[in-house]
Amino acid sequence: QPALTQPASVSGSPGQSITISCNGSTSDLGSYNLVSWYQKHPGKAPKVLIFEGGKRPSGVSYRFSGSRSGNTASLTISGLQADDEADYFCSSYIYSNSWIFGGGTKLTVL
Amino acid sequence: EMQLVESGGGLVQPGGSLTLSCAASGFIFTGSAMHWVRQASGKGLEWVGQIKGKVHSYATAYGASVTGRFTISRDDSKNTAYLQMNSLKSEDTAVYYCTRHEYGDFHFDSWGQGALVIVSS
Repeated sequence: QPALTQPASVSGSPGQSITISCNGSTSDLGSYNLVSWYQKHPGKAPKVLIFEGGKRPSGVSYRFSGSRSGNTASLTISGLQADDEADYFCSSYIYSNSWIFGGGTKLTVL
Repeated sequence: EMQLVESGGGLVQPGGSLTLSCAASGFIFTGSAMHWVRQASGKGLEWVGQIKGKVHSYATAYGASVTGRFTISRDDSKNTAYLQMNSLKSEDTAVYYCTRHEYGDFHFDSWGQGALVIVSS
């Protein structure tokens, strides 16, 4: 099962909004609305931002939002802040109790 | 507060074996499936595998790159999960994270800080 496809990098200025895409197939994102998004700072553990496509865990800023259309999921970060500079990964349950991750996107806040 | 703490990482020769442990606290261990996820330097996250609990007959599942070489187990009396790694290859060099999902959910809501495994001669 190939990894989900994400852009290698995105960038934006403080206060702007950016969107990170996560492309899958009919057998993963297209079949299950179970995509989740994780933020990972270097040397730190990942942190869940979005689950089941668009739900936010308690404590996660409203500036993070998620959506899904067909085989593509998206993470939008509004009002960019310096601390948002990190790697972002999408993930999805696929089948037979298995999961898959995207290759990751490095966000640079200019 | 949920907490996962990995231990057992280190340097191992190619073809060797190593076992990682993940001690859990702050949540109902038996109500969670435990997973291992790894990240090689400069690479993305890779799902390694999972183990469900007793109610699911301790069912396991593994990623394609580790199937047949890695084994995940758990000891519910110790709130601990394990990752036994055999026939290690240089490409298994990575930081290994323990994580969990609660039954009914499909996302990972708590992660350990990771254990570094280096496979090198």
